[in-house]
Amino acid sequence: DTGVSQDPRHKITKRGQNVTFRCDPISEHNRLYWYRQTLGQGPEFLTYFQNEAQLEKSRLLSDRFSAERPKGSFSTLEIQRTEQGDSAMYLCASTVVGGHNTGELFFGEGSRLTVL
Amino acid sequence: AQSVAQPEDQVNVAEGNPLTVKCTYSVSGNPYLFWYVQYPNRGLQFLLKYITGDNLVKGSYGFEAEFNKSQTSFHLKKPSALVSDSALYFCAVRITGFQKLVFGTGTRLLVSP
Repeated sequence: DTGVSQDPRHKITKRGQNVTFRCDPISEHNRLYWYRQTLGQGPEFLTYFQNEAQLEKSRLLSDRFSAERPKGSFSTLEIQRTEQGDSAMYLCASTVVGGHNTGELFFGEGSRLTVL
Repeated sequence: AQSVAQPEDQVNVAEGNPLTVKCTYSVSGNPYLFWYVQYPNRGLQFLLKYITGDNLVKGSYGFEAEFNKSQTSFHLKKPSALVSDSALYFCAVRITGFQKLVFGTGTRLLVSP
């Protein structure tokens, strides 16, 4: 399978715990995005990377959230001191920038977080 | 700020009938427009896009969409709906020079047998 993969698919945690999600993009894709989707809403942009550089962060990304892409390949999204409002589907997407690419994103299956 | 609106939370259509899922956008530059589909507990799958050129674009699974600049719309259409088309559909927009997609709130399509 050469698509975007995310792990874990489901995570249940207690309020106050830390959680980390991993995303492996399509191998030749140099840009990686994180989105959050809550029930009944469309995906909301959180942050994106060009190779290993984090180029933009949404105001939704509070200080408890941190994302990395250390070698320009996989990425992690960590949420510290989780709150019930963090319960959502966290979606990763990738794309390749340059040439004739027009920016469509390729999404993973998502990581669903439930904070009790 | 760029945004998209999907005015219908749900669209119901009988199998075999044509379907339309509406999307309007608001941007200050030239838009790149996209449609994605999401099945339960799954990620988003790309259906089609408009970048430039012909206003009618064709995509996956028999779907097409019509770009209308004067009405700032990008409605998704299919001539004959299938029960398997039942899913959540998202319209998204990106403008030149900006690097992220902005999504609408989604429209649930229910196709009845």
